[in-house]
Amino acid sequence: KAGVTQTPRYLIKTRGQQVTLSCSPISGHRSVSWYQQTPGQGLQFLFEYFSETQRNKGNFPGRFSGRQFSNSRSEMNVSTLELGDSALYLCASSYRTGPDTEAFFGQGTRLTVV
Amino acid sequence: GENVEQHPSTLSVQEGDSAVIKCTYSDSASNYFPWYKQELGKGPQLIIDIRSNVGEKKDQRIAVTLNKTAKHFSLHITETQPEDSAVYFCAASDGAAGNKLTFGGGTRVLVKP
Repeated sequence: KAGVTQTPRYLIKTRGQQVTLSCSPISGHRSVSWYQQTPGQGLQFLFEYFSETQRNKGNFPGRFSGRQFSNSRSEMNVSTLELGDSALYLCASSYRTGPDTEAFFGQGTRLTVV
Repeated sequence: GENVEQHPSTLSVQEGDSAVIKCTYSDSASNYFPWYKQELGKGPQLIIDIRSNVGEKKDQRIAVTLNKTAKHFSLHITETQPEDSAVYFCAASDGAAGNKLTFGGGTRVLVKP
């Protein structure tokens, strides 16, 4: 079956703008988590959505937000972009939420802020 | 919160040799430890995982061991091949925080033919 699909693959934005990234999880999966990957900070957890509810949130400013739709697709939004927001944004799909749940990643969206 | 340390940061091995990557974690409540392989331009791929009630797990040429007392776990790749060259990440999850994974810093593995 199809894997995790993230769109777009690449984005270039200007400081101060906002951006919306999209993630379609594996069919039947109800949990979507978002991560930021940078050379300096590595992979950092942003937030998780399960059944349209935010389940958990990482240590990121309020400029980073997300939501999940009834079909489990998720979007994340970053407002007032800063140069430091340049990163690979990864979405992970899981069947459920809770202990020892496997997570499968998409290919990511490469965001460059200029 | 959880903290995961991963060593080494880079590892160069000759084709056919074994590679070992080690991780330590800080939160004794962690009970799920996946390993991911990330190739250039791609997202992390789940290659193997281990749960806290198991000490070792094998899948063909890869194996993972877990020592809950010492709070460390390791990835072993035997008979390495050039296609094993990638960045490998360990992670830990305690389940109480949903599906949140805390990742190690990554190990860049280069397999020389």
